[in-house]
Amino acid sequence: SQQGEEDPQALSIQEGENATMNCSYKTSINNLQWYRQNSGRGLVHLILIRSNEREKHSGRLRVTLDTSKKSSSLLITASRAADTASYFCATVQNQGGKLIFGQGTELSVKP
Amino acid sequence: GAVVSQHPSWVICKSGTSVKIECRSLDFQATTMFWYRQFPKQSLMLMATSNEGSKATYEQGVEKDKFLINHASLTLSTLTVTSAHPEDSSFYICSASGTFTYEQYFGPGTRLTVT
Repeated sequence: SQQGEEDPQALSIQEGENATMNCSYKTSINNLQWYRQNSGRGLVHLILIRSNEREKHSGRLRVTLDTSKKSSSLLITASRAADTASYFCATVQNQGGKLIFGQGTELSVKP
Repeated sequence: GAVVSQHPSWVICKSGTSVKIECRSLDFQATTMFWYRQFPKQSLMLMATSNEGSKATYEQGVEKDKFLINHASLTLSTLTVTSAHPEDSSFYICSASGTFTYEQYFGPGTRLTVT
């Protein structure tokens, strides 16, 4: 069953702008992960943040995690047209356990 | 990084026939494999989890007799959609995790169309 809610469902921005996507979840977690999916393709793992971490960076990506609010955000800075894709958060309750995906945010970056 | 392949990448079949989808881990031993389905514009829904040599664990609402999962080796899992119907048309994605890592590596997906 789906655990995560993501907002916005769709986001359209201009190249160079920042994009922020939010994810909320319901139960306690071991870690939260963000994935990207280009249309009709498989998933690409972007970043994993553990429940005892509050912020993590990877290149132009910045992820925050607030376990008290059961929420996470993904910020993509200086967006590019190639960032156009769907972005999903996924939670893991127990290490090695199954991923439960959020509904996803469809990001469109216009050149 | 770890590579997972799926075959076929797309398949069209007639209603009532069965279709087998393969998921292979190419450069690591996958002790656990996961099968997901994804309808257009929707998220991934976990169908089942399979551990090598064991019976698969199906999520609530997934018919185990319709979606047969076999994980007979550490590099191969198969999903067979039996007596397929048009409503089974979907994007099926597998993922695999290894003995020493809990990270899941995803295959490129298989698009199934049942006519």
